[in-house]
Amino acid sequence: SYELTQPPSVSVSPGQTARITCSADALPKQYAYWYQQKPGQAPVLVIYKDSERPSGIPERFSGSSSGTTVTLTISGVQAEDEADYYCQSADSSGTLVVFGGGTKLTVL
Amino acid sequence: EVQLVESGGGLVQPGRSLRLSCAASGFTFDDYAMHWVRQAPGKGLEWVSGISWNSGSIGYADSVKGRFTISRDNAKNSLYLQMNSLRAEDTALYYCANLKLGYWGQGTLVTVSS
Repeated sequence: SYELTQPPSVSVSPGQTARITCSADALPKQYAYWYQQKPGQAPVLVIYKDSERPSGIPERFSGSSSGTTVTLTISGVQAEDEADYYCQSADSSGTLVVFGGGTKLTVL
Repeated sequence: EVQLVESGGGLVQPGRSLRLSCAASGFTFDDYAMHWVRQAPGKGLEWVSGISWNSGSIGYADSVKGRFTISRDNAKNSLYLQMNSLRAEDTALYYCANLKLGYWGQGTLVTVSS
């Protein structure tokens, strides 16, 4: 089955840049989506189609893709960015969706 | 305003059934695939099932295949999940989601316990 691998945790100080990777175990890869989830809340889409940012999402959130790895970058991290982040994609047929295991971002 | 409102969750004994519903509004429901995603307490997101706009393509996670059935009624802007032979490991918050547009409901809690 198709899998997406994320680091369990990332820690950064305020104002620094956080990078969260998401690696697929095989090609081809469909577009990746990134979600932010804070405790007790539903996930919020922060990046879609690898690098597009929905309206209302701060410009400090960006996404990129290289080979079978996609990366969520948060520039100038703020305390409010502390949350769990999940990548999501699909298999080559687009029928089966998969989420990464999630990365807990800690702002020191 | 986009709304996805799940209902139907609750406490159920192992082996029993439950049917979840999701009422959608604020977007053209029958233009998009819809999905159920669950989150066990303290765990990550797990995709459960998805259905294309016209119900022509349906997928399930291996963990629920053969036990859960997804369906939709475009006339009622509604999504459903029939869950049979429930197990303790199905205990989770179940979200209805439009993953393409990034719309999620607030979830409905399913607890499977004797």
